[in-house]
Amino acid sequence: QKEVEQDPGPLSVPEGAIVSLNCTYSNSAFQYFMWYRQYSRKGPELLMYTYSSGNKEDGRFTAQVDKSSKYISLFIRDSQPSDSATYLCAMRGGGYSTLTFGKGTMLLVSP
Amino acid sequence: DAGITQSPRYKITETGRQVTLMCHQTWSHSYMFWYRQDLGHGLRLIYYSAAADITDKGEVPDGYVVSRSKTENFPLTLESATRSQTSVYFCATWGQETQYFGPGTRLLVL
Repeated sequence: QKEVEQDPGPLSVPEGAIVSLNCTYSNSAFQYFMWYRQYSRKGPELLMYTYSSGNKEDGRFTAQVDKSSKYISLFIRDSQPSDSATYLCAMRGGGYSTLTFGKGTMLLVSP
Repeated sequence: DAGITQSPRYKITETGRQVTLMCHQTWSHSYMFWYRQDLGHGLRLIYYSAAADITDKGEVPDGYVVSRSKTENFPLTLESATRSQTSVYFCATWGQETQYFGPGTRLLVL
């Protein structure tokens, strides 16, 4: 079993839809959880960052962490064509530890 | 504020040649990382560095060499390039609890 599992997609939705992206993980030592967005031919950019369990909201984006289920989610409300990208989940333990990434989910939002 | 830059952005080379990919940061962060990104594998850590003159292996270090003589630079060298090293290479630094990535170098080994 890989440490982080993420459905590669592609996930195709119409503009305005609510999008749910998810990752599961196996390492209970993970404490910090991130979502990166990567546009085609660009580097990953940090989108959301959360510590431990709970929700965090930033505009149209909401990140959820459920450590008891080892499950994290990213919700995008009112999705836009500009949200079309690959979304990577990432996580780490405490301190300056390395990140463990999911393989990414490709999202396509059609006008 | 350039942040983190990589050069070259695109490189074509031949099997057996030595190639060096450059990474430069303007933030003076201690930690720097090199990843490769391939379809089906996602991002995989090659090497990382905690400070000048301190480096450590990641998940896929074979065939790569790194050095860190200055905090702001972290070059990655392919001593004898192979076709399996065709990939997109990303450099990253550590800042504000997580990693920030450069724009990437697309390397094609013929």
